[in-house]
Amino acid sequence: DQQVKQNSPSLSVQEGRISILNCDYTNSMFDYFLWYKKYPAEGPTFLISISSIKDKNEDGRFTVFLNKSAKHLSLHIVPSQPGDSAVYFCAASGESNYQLIWGAGTKLIIKP
Amino acid sequence: DAMVIQNPRYQVTQFGKPVTLSCSQTLNHNVMYWYQQKSSQAPKLLFHYYDKDFNNEADTPDNFQSRRPNTSFCFLDIRSPGLGDAAMYLCATSRGQMGFSNQPQHFGDGTRLSIL
Repeated sequence: DQQVKQNSPSLSVQEGRISILNCDYTNSMFDYFLWYKKYPAEGPTFLISISSIKDKNEDGRFTVFLNKSAKHLSLHIVPSQPGDSAVYFCAASGESNYQLIWGAGTKLIIKP
Repeated sequence: DAMVIQNPRYQVTQFGKPVTLSCSQTLNHNVMYWYQQKSSQAPKLLFHYYDKDFNNEADTPDNFQSRRPNTSFCFLDIRSPGLGDAAMYLCATSRGQMGFSNQPQHFGDGTRLSIL
């Protein structure tokens, strides 16, 4: 049973526009959520995180929104740049558990 | 720059021949993890160390072992690699406090293991 779901395998966005990546989760005990970016042949790079006590966290061009009632989070990238083309993974943890539960990833393609 | 370093980046071994992958970190994090990642799938946690305490995932095959001789280094030993073990192996670290796991994990660039 997938506890973290990224329903869009891929997303194509024009350079300069907003990219919105979505993630849904089922376990209400999750209290910490993270987004990672991964280029081919490299390890995942931590982008941004959010604790369940917040509903928004910003870091430069990246903003993560958390809607606990809907068990939904999203990553907004604005403006999108060619270097943002990568696979984005959503992950969650909770219950003082060091294991991250990962989504399947969304491949973001930024078109020039 | 503080980082997580994995060696080698690419490893080729023969079917059944033991292989060791290494990871070192300069972040001084007390938690270290080993993941297996196949193609574009999400990383799969194999085990992690909280300080010296070893925590094995229930579905990690016995073929996979790990050693952590000190804070900075961690090794993944595959005793008898099979064709299904060909994958990217990722090491990660995080700062852990007992009962508080809300810290990001930082990953190395991985070792891609091929089995002949």
